[in-house]
Amino acid sequence: KAGVTQTPRYLIKTRGQQVTLSCSPISGHRSVSWYQQTPGQGLQFLFEYFSETQRNKGNFPGRFSGRQFSNSRSEMNVSTLELGDSALYLCASSGLTRDEQYFGPGTRLTVT
Amino acid sequence: GENVEQHPSTLSVQEGDSAVIKCTYSDSASNYFPWYKQELGKRPQLIIDIRSNVGEKKDQRIAVTLNKTAKHFSLHITETQPEDSAVYFCAASIGYGGSQGNLIFGKGTKLSVKP
Repeated sequence: KAGVTQTPRYLIKTRGQQVTLSCSPISGHRSVSWYQQTPGQGLQFLFEYFSETQRNKGNFPGRFSGRQFSNSRSEMNVSTLELGDSALYLCASSGLTRDEQYFGPGTRLTVT
Repeated sequence: GENVEQHPSTLSVQEGDSAVIKCTYSDSASNYFPWYKQELGKRPQLIIDIRSNVGEKKDQRIAVTLNKTAKHFSLHITETQPEDSAVYFCAASIGYGGSQGNLIFGKGTKLSVKP
């Protein structure tokens, strides 16, 4: 069974731009969660989607948004990028229990 | 909201020794506690987890214990090997009937196993 995939793997953007990241979960998994990983703040929860609905949201500004499609693939969007948005963005998918989460390789976003 | 504290932040052991990493959580409603291993430049990988209806779980050289009263849980690695060197994260989540997509992570422990 293929693992969680994320595209692109690396991205360089300038302040003020927006970016869209994509995540394809493990086949059969319907829950996708997004996390931001930085050296200073560690791993922080962004939001979770289940069956195309946002079920939980972390403590991030409205510039961070996401969506999920009927095939469970998910995208997250960050608008008006700031330098502090530079991070590794990880998505994780989980199955029916939605407890065990399996991470993708991440997208390394650099904002200059 | 939930807060997870993890100690120590760095841990250095000799090959063959045991390593213990401890986490405490604040929300007594948390009922799912996974541990992740992240090697440099790689994704976090689930290595073991425990639910609140269990006090201890073991998988080969790795074990996790949970004390619900004290709200802490620990990862134990025995007979450490150099390939155990990585950053280990604990996490906690509140499951509604066993389902929740919101993991709160500790800050991580960098484990170094010296040959």
